[in-house]
Amino acid sequence: GDSVTQMEGPVTLSEEAFLTINCTYTATGYPSLFWYVQYPGEGLQLLLKATKADDKGSNKGFEATYRKETTSFHLEKGSVQVSDSAVYFCALYNTNAGKSTFGDGTTLTVKP
Amino acid sequence: NAGVTQTPKFRVLKTGQSMTLLCAQDMNHEYMYWYRQDPGMGLRLIHYSVGEGTTAKGEVPDGYNVSRLKKQNFLLGLESAAPSQTSVYFCASSYGQSDHLNTEAFFGQGTRLTVV
Repeated sequence: GDSVTQMEGPVTLSEEAFLTINCTYTATGYPSLFWYVQYPGEGLQLLLKATKADDKGSNKGFEATYRKETTSFHLEKGSVQVSDSAVYFCALYNTNAGKSTFGDGTTLTVKP
Repeated sequence: NAGVTQTPKFRVLKTGQSMTLLCAQDMNHEYMYWYRQDPGMGLRLIHYSVGEGTTAKGEVPDGYNVSRLKKQNFLLGLESAAPSQTSVYFCASSYGQSDHLNTEAFFGQGTRLTVV
């Protein structure tokens, strides 16, 4: 079946540091790929997505590129802020199966 | 914009009690999902529905039942609650397979359930 593997956390960074959270996947066909963010006490919300190979999703300074050759979708941000502290989930949507598969989540804490 | 609404937000049950969690979405989405979120285990799919009147099992369906009598509602039932079902439950919805470019899920705020 489909699976998503994320870099284990927690990750602690200082403000303005560079962020990378690794994500790799296995899936049949050509899934869409997503990063979701969960702030404390809230549900998940979409951060960015990419629907085909070499697409780059971006939002709020975060970026991720759909790399089919390495089956990866790593999340990056050049300069993190305290407000970026949250749990980040990598996910894929398999159109054949009609459902999403999520990674285990990576907790990011940004200190001032 | 209501989006996905879950009720209740918190609940404490005694072992053996039953309850129903309600999820409602106002986006005319075809697909709806129930997940549970446990520390260190991410999100696990319990059941899902690809349309009104249909349901299917996810990864961890045992001990739960669901119904999708109306397109906008997806109910999750626990017939006899157990401490292992202590978790945070999230409902989500999405447009569905017909629109593969818009397959992101929209989540509710979650229901924190404790079974004692």
